[in-house]
Amino acid sequence: RKEVEQDPGPFNVPEGATVAFNCTYSNSASQSFFWYRQDCRKEPKLLMSVYSSGNEDGRFTAQLNRASQYISLLIRDSKLSDSATYLCVGPRGGGTASKLTFGTGTRLQVTL
Amino acid sequence: EAQVTQNPRYLITVTGKKLTVTCSQNMNHEYMSWYRQDPGLGLRQIYYSMNVEVTDKGDVPEGYKVSRKEKRNFPLILESPSPNQTSLYFCASSSDGGGTEAFFGQGTRLTVV
Repeated sequence: RKEVEQDPGPFNVPEGATVAFNCTYSNSASQSFFWYRQDCRKEPKLLMSVYSSGNEDGRFTAQLNRASQYISLLIRDSKLSDSATYLCVGPRGGGTASKLTFGTGTRLQVTL
Repeated sequence: EAQVTQNPRYLITVTGKKLTVTCSQNMNHEYMSWYRQDPGLGLRQIYYSMNVEVTDKGDVPEGYKVSRKEKRNFPLILESPSPNQTSLYFCASSSDGGGTEAFFGQGTRLTVV
């Protein structure tokens, strides 16, 4: 089983819609998770960290469900500019000093 | 401006011709790593370094070498490139390996013919 798994999509949604992505992880000891955004042929950039208590930044909300071992990203009022690939990221080995492991990404396409 | 700089951005080379992709960061980060990204496979770690003179293999190290003689630089070396190393390569740095934000370079698109 992969350490971090996510649905590759694509998710095609109209502008203004609410869309949610989930990502499952296999290491129950993992502490730190992140969502990165990657535009086509560009480098990944941090979108937001995922905390146990949840994390909200404007239209974006990230949640961590330890019991079911998944993290989620909710995007409200989707904009055309939200079209990108969203990468779920967790630590390898569960500690804060270990390597990062990346999901393969979920592609979002927001349309008019 | 905090950044990770990779060079070159694009490279076409022939099988067997040694090449080096440079990576430099100006954030005084201890942790640096190299990834390759291929369609359907996502980002896979090639090598990482936790500090000067400390490097270790990632998930796909075969055919690659790295060195970390200075904190800011972490070059990726392909001694004898092969077509299956055609890929998009990213260098990244962070203040630790897994608990903080990783900053990525702009990527190097390598084609080996």
